[in-house]
Amino acid sequence: EAQVTQNPRYLITVTGKKLTVTCSQNMNHEYMSWYRQDPGLGLRQIYYSMNVEVTDKGDVPEGYKVSRKEKRNFPLILESPSPNQTSLYFCASSLTSYTGELFFGEGSRLTVL
Amino acid sequence: AQSVTQLDSHVSVSEGTPVLLRCNYSSSYSPSLFWYVQHPNKGLQLLLKYTSAATLVKGINGFEAEFKKSETSFHLTKPSAHMSDAAEYFCVVSFNAGGTSYGKLTFGQGTILTVHP
Repeated sequence: EAQVTQNPRYLITVTGKKLTVTCSQNMNHEYMSWYRQDPGLGLRQIYYSMNVEVTDKGDVPEGYKVSRKEKRNFPLILESPSPNQTSLYFCASSLTSYTGELFFGEGSRLTVL
Repeated sequence: AQSVTQLDSHVSVSEGTPVLLRCNYSSSYSPSLFWYVQHPNKGLQLLLKYTSAATLVKGINGFEAEFKKSETSFHLTKPSAHMSDAAEYFCVVSFNAGGTSYGKLTFGQGTILTVHP
């Protein structure tokens, strides 16, 4: 089954404790992207990747890191989480950035205390 | 810079009546435009997309949208609402110049559609 898989789905952590949210897709998509969703703000793009080893900042990259060493994986790293990073995070992928048809994961709800 | 504005944060309709969700965009380049739907506790799903072909775009579940360049609008419509249409809807814009996408997608703030029996 074609899908985008995120883990963990739910996480409660404390300020400053490094964490990684994994994202994996099995559709051989070139384009992958991370978003955070906050009430009243819609989805805001954190980072995106046009292909392996190619990443770029979205609208809200501060406090986040990403890497794209393999085509299927695009982990989101919070080196020192803070409470303002409490949010619902979505990973998405697309065949190419131009097609724009994104396939979304189920979301990861992160709470930073 | 590109931006997208959804004009209504909430829309409430009765089952069987028409749906109109409004979206305006600003773009210095030729835009691609999309509508996504998010049901509770789910990820987003593509409803339809405009990429410089026909200006009237048909999507899944009876939805359609019309690209109007002069009005910089891309409103989503459906002739008859169904209870299962209750969800949050997002208008999305992507820049394309000369066939090359810049990779950045900008989402509107979302419109919550409520359907009453």
